[in-house]
Amino acid sequence: QTVVTQEPSLTVSPGGTVTLTCASSTGAVTSGHHPNWFQQKPGQAPRALIYSTSNKHSWTPARFSGSLLGDKAALTLSGVEPEDEADYYCLLYYGGARGFGGGTKLTVL
Amino acid sequence: EVQLLESGGGLVQPGGSLRLSCAASGFSFSDYAMNWVRQAPGKGLEWVASIIYDGGRTYYADSVKGRFTISRDNSKNTMYLQMNSLRVGDTATYYCAKGEHGVDYWGQGTLVTVPS
Repeated sequence: QTVVTQEPSLTVSPGGTVTLTCASSTGAVTSGHHPNWFQQKPGQAPRALIYSTSNKHSWTPARFSGSLLGDKAALTLSGVEPEDEADYYCLLYYGGARGFGGGTKLTVL
Repeated sequence: EVQLLESGGGLVQPGGSLRLSCAASGFSFSDYAMNWVRQAPGKGLEWVASIIYDGGRTYYADSVKGRFTISRDNSKNTMYLQMNSLRVGDTATYYCAKGEHGVDYWGQGTLVTVPS
């Protein structure tokens, strides 16, 4: 069974920069996994941020960016704002099947 | 405006069945793959199942394979999840979500509770 791994928690200061990563137990994450990133705040449905590695949705703030970093997918937040405190999930595509990472709880402190 | 509205959740005894629906509007439903994703209380997101735009292919997580069936009726702009042999571990909020390589819109979810 494929396992997708994210950092359980990260802390960043307001105005700072933080990178969240997403690894696959099958090996290097590539563009073929079409990494997606989602933000979820308590009591809310997830909100899409990034698709196919680095593409932003029309509503995605400019401070969010996606990339491949080594053998992982990455989500970078630059100029973090207090409202960015949330859980972040990556989703990888495995030719039909999908897999979510366990999520990263981002604290802005 | 894209809207996804889940329904059909509720309390069901272990071993029971339930059918969830996801009514879509605001986009050309028959052009897009659709997904079911669940989230157990206090836990992370878990992909459950996906169906391509015309229903011709379906994909399932190992945890639900053989028990759950995803389907769609493009004439009704609706996707379904038939859940059989429900277990305590299936307790979760079930979300429908639109898209294949790019999952963009999500519904608000419907809660399924299977008590121990």
